[in-house]
Amino acid sequence: GNSVTQMEGPVTLSEEAFLTINCTYTATGYPSLFWYVQYPGEGLQLLLKATKADDKGSNKGFEATYRKETTSFHLEKGSVQVSDSAVYFCALTLSGGYQKVTFGTGTKLQVIP
Amino acid sequence: GAVVSQHPSRVICKSGTSVKIECRSLDFQATTMFWYRQFPKQSLMLMATSNEGSKATYEQGVEKDKFLINHASLTLSTLTVTSAHPEDSSFYICSAKNAYISYNEQFFGPGTRLTVL
Repeated sequence: GNSVTQMEGPVTLSEEAFLTINCTYTATGYPSLFWYVQYPGEGLQLLLKATKADDKGSNKGFEATYRKETTSFHLEKGSVQVSDSAVYFCALTLSGGYQKVTFGTGTKLQVIP
Repeated sequence: GAVVSQHPSRVICKSGTSVKIECRSLDFQATTMFWYRQFPKQSLMLMATSNEGSKATYEQGVEKDKFLINHASLTLSTLTVTSAHPEDSSFYICSAKNAYISYNEQFFGPGTRLTVL
């Protein structure tokens, strides 16, 4: 089956620190990979995505590269801000109209001034 | 584009009553809609997948008679929690998909917080 494993949180960083949240996956087939962000009390927002090996997704200073050889999609940001405090979910889906999304357990990020 | 709304955003009800949550795709036709449940500080759990005009497909362990899903049009799906009890209190999130817009991407609603007293 398909699964997503991401590092457990919470992760606490000082403002302007470098962020890495690890994500690895197992999948039958060729998945598309996503990072979603959830702010307190809100739904999910797509942060970035990559649909094939070696693609790099980027948005709002965050980036992640689809590494097929290591089955990984680690999220990075060079300088975090307090406003980045949220829960981050790594996820995958396979091709096909009815394929469901498989989520990781989520990593809470807290950025302190 | 690709906006999904949910209504209501919050609902509080008494034990034993039924609650209906709406999920709408505002600017696209959703061939498939998904319903998720999220417990505090946990990930999203897929409850069911619904395709317009057909019966929903429920995940293992989800009670079909408890969580009624209707996908009557290409822009609306509803989740009805029947005879709600305190253990049904949760955050319910829907998502919608159209393979012609974005092949592998689902668009998520803002969620509905259900509290059963």
